[in-house]
Amino acid sequence: DVKVTQSSRYLVKRTGEKVFLECVQDMDHENMFWYRQDPGLGLRLIYFSYDVKMKEKGDIPEGYSVSREKKERFSLILESASTNQTSMYLCACGGSLNTGELFFGEGSRLTVL
Amino acid sequence: DQQVKQNSPSLSVQEGRISILNCDYTNSMFDYFLWYKKYPAEGPTFLISISSIKDKNEDGRFTVFLNKSAKHLSLHIVPSQPGDSAVYFCAAHNNAGNMLTFGGGTRLMVKP
Repeated sequence: DVKVTQSSRYLVKRTGEKVFLECVQDMDHENMFWYRQDPGLGLRLIYFSYDVKMKEKGDIPEGYSVSREKKERFSLILESASTNQTSMYLCACGGSLNTGELFFGEGSRLTVL
Repeated sequence: DQQVKQNSPSLSVQEGRISILNCDYTNSMFDYFLWYKKYPAEGPTFLISISSIKDKNEDGRFTVFLNKSAKHLSLHIVPSQPGDSAVYFCAAHNNAGNMLTFGGGTRLMVKP
């Protein structure tokens, strides 16, 4: 079974703080993704990565950056957290060229005060 | 502009009856469609999928129907069970970009 582990399940940060969300996968997938989930909006893609040191913007990259220094690890960075970044953040890996199937972590619930 | 839409935010069904969850899309380049199920405090898990060359795919109690001309797909759960209560996301794959685009989700509640 593919295992995707997100470092923090729950975080509370203050406006302006820097936030790191880390994700590790154990199945050697090239593709890794960061989504955020908000009620009524579903899952929206923030950034994704096809390979080490490669990154591509998704639909809502503003206010975020990412880092992929090793194949198994994909980090999401909020340089200066804002209240509108309060959300559930989901990391995923996979993305078969044929089907796009993804394997998700359990999510990180971030609250920015 | 949402390319994948789930117009019903919630659905309540009696145990043993059929649950029908609907999904509409606008991009004709989508070539593969997936349904994911999400329980609270867990990540989404893959449920069932269908290729754009098919109009039906069945897996146990779950069947997905695809109507390409209407750009519409639906997930049928028969019979519904209380353990099926979750949020269901429809997703579409665009082969050109190798990404999934998700709908807003439908919360299904199956009452005992």
